[in-house]
Amino acid sequence: DAKTTQPPSMDCAEGRAANLPCNHSTISGNEYVYWYRQIHSQGPQYIIHGLKNNETNEMASLIITEDRKSSTLILPHATLRDTAVYYCIVWGSTGANSKLTFGKGITLSVRP
Amino acid sequence: KAGVTQTPRYLIKTRGQQVTLSCSPISGHRSVSWYQQTPGQGLQFLFEYFSETQRNKGNFPGRFSGRQFSNSRSEMNVSTLELGDSALYLCASSADRGRETQYFGPGTRLLVL
Repeated sequence: DAKTTQPPSMDCAEGRAANLPCNHSTISGNEYVYWYRQIHSQGPQYIIHGLKNNETNEMASLIITEDRKSSTLILPHATLRDTAVYYCIVWGSTGANSKLTFGKGITLSVRP
Repeated sequence: KAGVTQTPRYLIKTRGQQVTLSCSPISGHRSVSWYQQTPGQGLQFLFEYFSETQRNKGNFPGRFSGRQFSNSRSEMNVSTLELGDSALYLCASSADRGRETQYFGPGTRLLVL
């Protein structure tokens, strides 16, 4: 079972920031928060991941709360091409279990 | 660096046939995982190979099998196809098992008639 909870959908206007929330209240100390997105019928695309600190890359920013029980993915200037299903995943850093467990994700719709 | 490649991209088979799908990981990656995605069940883990050995397996029947070659390329095979096997099959590669980010390929869309 997925260890994360995401709202089913949200929308935002093109050019505005999209803030996608995720709850992971049972996260363990050695588990990372990963975000992927999937545009219809394509393979999931890696976006970003983090352990404790906030992270930023060319695609997005990841804000993790101090207690690590929730996080927010921020797309700073959403475009129509950002319309996709976004998956928040918690995943251990050790090699014992390599499988990713995807939940239902959140469908982001970017409107013109 | 080239990404993960999967062949074929689309496939149509009939019930009872078998199918082999291929995955070439990112150069230097030694771990390959396979996933099945359907509208009803979402993304489900099939198995993972690392250095030619299956190290993790999901809850799928024995009709689903795989292997990995010395160059890290991987194949998965589904025998005696059923209608319910229609799905998007995805492979993901990572540099080291369980410790590195997994990068997905575009998938193979299988339709069983």
